[in-house]
Amino acid sequence: QKEVEQNSGPLSVPEGAIASLNCTYSDRGSQSFFWYRQYSGKSPELIMFIYSNGDKEDGRFTAQLNKASQYVSLLIRDSQPSDSATYLCAVGAGSYQLTFGKGTKLSVIP
Amino acid sequence: DAGVIQSPRHEVTEMGQEVTLRCKPISGHDYLFWYRQTMMRGLELLIYFNNNVPIDDSGMPEDRFSAKMPNASFSTLKIQPSEPRDSAVYFCASSGGTDTQYFGPGTRLTVL
Repeated sequence: QKEVEQNSGPLSVPEGAIASLNCTYSDRGSQSFFWYRQYSGKSPELIMFIYSNGDKEDGRFTAQLNKASQYVSLLIRDSQPSDSATYLCAVGAGSYQLTFGKGTKLSVIP
Repeated sequence: DAGVIQSPRHEVTEMGQEVTLRCKPISGHDYLFWYRQTMMRGLELLIYFNNNVPIDDSGMPEDRFSAKMPNASFSTLKIQPSEPRDSAVYFCASSGGTDTQYFGPGTRLTVL
């Protein structure tokens, strides 16, 4: 059974701070890693994907992957109230099928 | 370019009735996924298709659920008979060439 674990939160950070979201996965054969953002009542929206160990930056977002530790994280710099949402971590093992975590709810306080 | 399209957006029905959810994937995408999302269980994969062929339906909860993809631009998820515990948001997603999935707006199903 492939598992993806996330702290459900809520994670509260003040506006302008760095938000750090974490995710662990059980399948060592996992090859692709995704972060989706889901606003309340909306569908998941892709933010970033990462395939290789290390960091990948896109604007205010940085994804970090450590395959040895089976750990992936998402950093959001200069957090804004509009970043308040649930963040879903998803992991793929090369079969086009993704396993999703239950998500971490982020609240950015103005 | 249009994204994944789902209909209806909201469905309220009574226990025992048949429910049909519809999905149009992004043009050119050859993978289509049906998910169910609840607070308790999160986002669960029900079934997925590749080139209109069902690949893995192990997530379909029971025989009351069925899914079809008669052509590359249309898929249905049917629940017959529906039960209150089927109440959830059902998402369709598609991908093409990579494992990056793009989600439709979802159908919020309420079974009374």
